[in-house]
Amino acid sequence: QVTLRESGPALVKPTQTLTLTCTFSGFSLSTSGMCVSWIRQPPGKALEWLALIDWDDDTYYSTSLKTRLTISRDTSENQVVLRVINMDPLDTATYYCARSDSRAWFDYWGQGTLVTVSS
Amino acid sequence: DIQVTQSPSTLSASVGDRVTITCRASQTISNWLAWYQQKPGKAPELLIYKASTLESGVPSRFSGSGSGTDFTLTISSLQPEDFATYYCQQYNSWTFGQGTKVEIK
Repeated sequence: QVTLRESGPALVKPTQTLTLTCTFSGFSLSTSGMCVSWIRQPPGKALEWLALIDWDDDTYYSTSLKTRLTISRDTSENQVVLRVINMDPLDTATYYCARSDSRAWFDYWGQGTLVTVSS
Repeated sequence: DIQVTQSPSTLSASVGDRVTITCRASQTISNWLAWYQQKPGKAPELLIYKASTLESGVPSRFSGSGSGTDFTLTISSLQPEDFATYYCQQYNSWTFGQGTKVEIK
């Protein structure tokens, strides 16, 4: 069955770089159509899509955050990594990774990981 | 980017009520719209994709309709487990609506 799990630091300081890893199973990012996205949700607020990487290693970013984001994959390890530079307290959120097929809807989600930005 | 606007932001209803949530896209997206349910402390779960296709395992009291720019999610008879927050998402550029919290009246 398909599972995804996010991992990374729970606390980062302002201006630091956040690195999150999504480790998945039950599918391969080498398979045509498969994609993994990162989505975040500040406490009490709405979901915000951040970035997507697809089976062809093409990447897509939120327009408002693209200068700060990098998404990459390690196909052999079944992992997708998100890096966010210059973290700010406003980046405090639960970060989710999710799978999609053909860059469409998100059918499987990880449980999320809360990242707090504070000095 | 294509924006999606949900309404209402909060909805108070009783068990057994028929509930409708609307989502409007800032430009036409054909039927490229999904709906998700999120309960407190949990990840969102897919309910509907392609505007009206029910995800496997989702109860038939949930339905979706619309195309172009205007879409609706309907719960035909609200059940206790349906009190949650609902999000629409267009997957032309993957933006989410602001969410609709369905509360107990």
